[in-house]
Amino acid sequence: GAGVSQSPSNKVTEKGKDVELRCDPISGHTALYWYRQSLGQGLEFLIYFQGNSAPDKSGLPSDRFSAERTGGSVSTLTIQRTQQEDSAVYLCASSPYLTDTQYFGPGTRLTVL
Amino acid sequence: EDQVTQSPEALRLQEGESSSLNCSYTVSGLRGLFWYRQDPGKGPEFLFTLYSAGEEKEKERLKATLTKKESFLHITAPKPEDSATYLCAVRLGISNFGNEKLTFGTGTRLTIIP
Repeated sequence: GAGVSQSPSNKVTEKGKDVELRCDPISGHTALYWYRQSLGQGLEFLIYFQGNSAPDKSGLPSDRFSAERTGGSVSTLTIQRTQQEDSAVYLCASSPYLTDTQYFGPGTRLTVL
Repeated sequence: EDQVTQSPEALRLQEGESSSLNCSYTVSGLRGLFWYRQDPGKGPEFLFTLYSAGEEKEKERLKATLTKKESFLHITAPKPEDSATYLCAVRLGISNFGNEKLTFGTGTRLTIIP
């Protein structure tokens, strides 16, 4: 079956612009996660959705970052007024209800000039 | 503070030369240790989950083991296609939903030389 998909695969933007990153989880997966991977750093947790609710937003680095999930499926991560330190690969993962394994998408590489 | 440390950062092996990667953790309430493989430009690919000390899992040339403080990923007679970054992650806590974030180490970059 289809895996987790993310779009765009690459995004180059100018400092101060807003960007939206999209994640399509595996069909039927109730949990959805966003992580960020910077050069030389481990994956850093951003936010977790169960259905359309976000029980854990503790990893969002500032109020410029927000995310939503609609219909228990697609999620969008929005970064407002991008900064150069936001440059990273943004990874989305999903998992079925009451299971531990997270399945990752290919990521979106964000470059802020 | 909960921490996950992987060593070495990078490892170069000749094809067929067996070795082990280490993941040590200082967390309370461990509820699962995960190994992933990540190829350049791709997302992590799930390999194993371990839940309790003494548990072992195998897949082809890879075997993962778990103690109370660390996990090892043993690679036996590796081939060039095993070259990748191997990531370790831990899951903590308890929730009604059974899903929580993973806390990742920084990975071991493994290169197998033909």
